[in-house]
Amino acid sequence: KAGVTQTPRYLIKTRGQQVTLSCSPISGHRSVSWYQQTPGQGLQFLFEYFSETQRNKGNFPGRFSGRQFSNSRSEMNVSTLELGDSALYLCASSPGVVQETQYFGPGTRLLVL
Amino acid sequence: AQSVTQLGSHVSVSEGALVLLRCNYSSSVPPYLFWYVQYPNQGLQLLLKYTSAATLVKGINGFEAEFKKSETSFHLTKPSAHMSDAAEYFCAVRANTGGFKTIFGAGTRLFVKA
Repeated sequence: KAGVTQTPRYLIKTRGQQVTLSCSPISGHRSVSWYQQTPGQGLQFLFEYFSETQRNKGNFPGRFSGRQFSNSRSEMNVSTLELGDSALYLCASSPGVVQETQYFGPGTRLLVL
Repeated sequence: AQSVTQLGSHVSVSEGALVLLRCNYSSSVPPYLFWYVQYPNQGLQLLLKYTSAATLVKGINGFEAEFKKSETSFHLTKPSAHMSDAAEYFCAVRANTGGFKTIFGAGTRLFVKA
C-alpha cells in the first residue's frame, strides 16, 4: 500500500497570504489528523477528521481550518499567514478513531517570510 | 485532560550501551500510549504502542516499553544502541476526553557515540 502523501513538500509564502496543504491518506483509512511541528512548541494537534466530519480540534486560531472529502483526502488552510506559522505540517491517517495507530506523511515544510 | 512529559531533551549513549528514554503521562481516562521515532526530514514512524493488553510492549528495531500505571510511566528501552538509532523519539498519549486526541511529548533526541 502506498503511504500517506502530502503536497507540496516545501512552500514559501509571505505574511498575509493564505496557503492550502493537501494530504492523501493510506487507502482504506478514514481518519486524518493534522499536526504542526516547530522547534519551540514541538508537535501540536491541529484537528482530526473522520468520514468528512471534524471530530476534534486543537487550540489554534480560526485562521487554521481544514476539511475532508468523501475519498478521505484532506486539506488544511491557513489564512492571513504570520511569521510564526512557519513550521512542518504533518498529516497522519488511521483506519478509525479510537486507538488506531497513526501513520504519518513526510510533512509539508512551510516558510513564511 | 492529558499530558506527556519526556525527561531529557537530549540523551547520549555509546554504541552497544543501554538506551533508556523516559516518558511520564497524565490522563483522566485510561490512555493508549505510543512511541514514535522521527529521522531528519521525515515524518513520524511508530515504534510501539500500548493498548491495555500486555504491560510490556515490544516494538520494532529491538525497542520495548513497559506501562507502569502506578508510576504513570511508559519508558522506552533498547538493550544495545546502534548508530542507526540516532533520531528524535516522541512519546504520545491518546485518550477520549470529549473526543479522541493525541498529545505528544516534547521529544528526546538520541545521540549514539561510536
